[in-house]
Amino acid sequence: QKEVEQDPGPLSVPEGAIVSLNCTYSNSAFQYFMWYRQYSRKGPELLMYTYSSGNKEDGRFTAQVDKSSKYISLFIRDSQPSDSATYLCAMTKTSYDKVIFGPGTSLSVIP
Amino acid sequence: DVKVTQSSRYLVKRTGEKVFLECVQDMDHENMFWYRQDPGLGLRLIYFSYDVKMKEKGDIPEGYSVSREKKERFSLILESASTNQTSMYLCASSLVGPNEKLFFGSGTQLSVL
Repeated sequence: QKEVEQDPGPLSVPEGAIVSLNCTYSNSAFQYFMWYRQYSRKGPELLMYTYSSGNKEDGRFTAQVDKSSKYISLFIRDSQPSDSATYLCAMTKTSYDKVIFGPGTSLSVIP
Repeated sequence: DVKVTQSSRYLVKRTGEKVFLECVQDMDHENMFWYRQDPGLGLRLIYFSYDVKMKEKGDIPEGYSVSREKKERFSLILESASTNQTSMYLCASSLVGPNEKLFFGSGTQLSVL
């Protein structure tokens, strides 16, 4: 079993839709949870990060962590064509540990 | 604006060649990392460095080595390239302390023929 699992997609949605991206993980020691966005032919860039359980909102993006279920989500409201990218979840036990990445979900937002 | 620069966007090499991938960051970051990215496998850590002259093995160091002579520069070396090292290579850096915010370069797509 991989430490971090993520549906690779591709996921295709119409512009304006609400998008839900998800990851599951097996190691209950993970405390820091991140979402990176990677455009084609670019390196990943940090989009959201949260510590422990709960929600965090930033504009159209909401990150949700449920540690009891070992499940994290990224919601995108009012999705735009510019949101078309691969979304990587990532997590680490402490801020000094190495980061473990999921394989990524490819998202296309169709105008 | 923060920047991590990888010297080559695309590289094509022959089996058995020695390959150097260069990475430079201008953010005065202490930590630097080399990942490879393969479809379905995500990012896997090859080597990292928390200080000049210091290096640590990541999850898949076999067939690779690194060099960090200066704080801003971190090089990945493939001693004798093989076809299974065909991949996208990503360099990243971060500040001392929180490792959660990694700054990535645009990547080098390496093909070994």
